[in-house]
Amino acid sequence: SQTIHQWPATLVQPVGSPLSLECTVEGTSNPNLYWYRQAAGRGLQLLFYSVGIGQISSEVPQNLSASRPQDRQFILSSKKLLLSDSGFYLCAWSVLGGDQPQHFGDGTRLSIL
Amino acid sequence: GQQVMQIPQYQHVQEGEDFTTYCNSSTTLSNIQWYKQRPGGHPVFLIQLVKSGEVKKQKRLTFQFGEAKKNSSLHITATQTTDVGTYFCAGGGYSTLTFGKGTMLLVSP
Repeated sequence: SQTIHQWPATLVQPVGSPLSLECTVEGTSNPNLYWYRQAAGRGLQLLFYSVGIGQISSEVPQNLSASRPQDRQFILSSKKLLLSDSGFYLCAWSVLGGDQPQHFGDGTRLSIL
Repeated sequence: GQQVMQIPQYQHVQEGEDFTTYCNSSTTLSNIQWYKQRPGGHPVFLIQLVKSGEVKKQKRLTFQFGEAKKNSSLHITATQTTDVGTYFCAGGGYSTLTFGKGTMLLVSP
């Protein structure tokens, strides 16, 4: 069966520090991969999605970036975090196809101080 | 772009009462999906509807997809405290899903 791993579960970072969140998927090949951010009590904001290695689509311009160095690895990065980057970051995967059901990781709660 | 509106934003019911959340898209959808997010958790896929007018049931949950494939509803009969959470609809589009903002359900015993 397919599993998705996302870490760390929680992270507290100072303003201006870098960020690297990693997500890996097991049990499937060539998945679509997604990064979302969710503010407290709010909806899901799609940040990036990828349909293949090295292919990244950005939905919202900001100081975050994403990379997909391997088929089942998706990384969310920032060079300098802002206070507004706080939130709940969720990685998800689906089989190929933009309208397919998505399966989420446990998420990372990021607090910027 | 495609927009998916979901109402109500929030609903508080007594245990045993029914609950319904509605989802409307600005464009025709290829499918509609529903997810549940428990407090502190991550969204979990519940179901996908593909056909116009489709109705599916999962125990006390009934999901409908409108004839024009632009709206959907989730109805919970006789809510239980375990139903607490936020329910999201997501409309299938060309490149990605478009999620509604969710309906937060609180159930009091």
